[in-house]
Amino acid sequence: EVQLVQSGAEVKKPGESLKISCKGSGYSFTSYWIGWVRQMPGKGLEWMGIIYPGDSDIRYSPSFQGQVTISADKSISTAYLQWSSLKASDTAMYYCARHTTIVPGKMVEDYWGQGTLVTVSS
Amino acid sequence: DIQMTQSPSSLSASVGDRVTITCRASQGISNYLAWFQQKPGKAPRSLIYIASSLQSGVPSKFSGSGSGTDFTLTISSLQPEDFATYYCQQYNSYPHTFGGGTKVEIK
Repeated sequence: EVQLVQSGAEVKKPGESLKISCKGSGYSFTSYWIGWVRQMPGKGLEWMGIIYPGDSDIRYSPSFQGQVTISADKSISTAYLQWSSLKASDTAMYYCARHTTIVPGKMVEDYWGQGTLVTVSS
Repeated sequence: DIQMTQSPSSLSASVGDRVTITCRASQGISNYLAWFQQKPGKAPRSLIYIASSLQSGVPSKFSGSGSGTDFTLTISSLQPEDFATYYCQQYNSYPHTFGGGTKVEIK
């Protein structure tokens, strides 16, 4: 059974750093892209970027490039999303999602993590 | 970025109704279009990919159609568990982009 298990909720202050995680199991972690999606309170879904753990190839949305860092450790089947300096506007639920490749270059979400709530407040 | 526009943004329907949601892309995306369902407080669930293929385990009351710029999601007979928000997403080019969502509520 494919599972993506995300790390727990975080409460941070503006300016602090943070790294949240998403651990995959039940499939070959290095053979599927994993992505991150933001959902701000009461709002819709925003695609942030994806990584291919097999070779650490990454694609960022321009809206998030330079604001976050996506990485993966294939030795422990875990993907990460990190911030070096959080802002109040980073308060949101963050979901990871496995992507299946339809044809080369076209990947779509199939399995989702349960979400990690990040709250940034002074 | 490709803009995805869903309509309506919300609708009220009764159990047993046939419901159709529309998604329009700002430029052609072939059939690289997915649909997702999200219930309050829950993670999204993948329903459809390549515009019309059901993800594993998704019941056949859900169907998708379209190609190019215009797409639809249809629920053939609405059940209580189908009341949720539905999102389309294009994955033809980066960044992948979602529609604004359609909230399906009980009439």
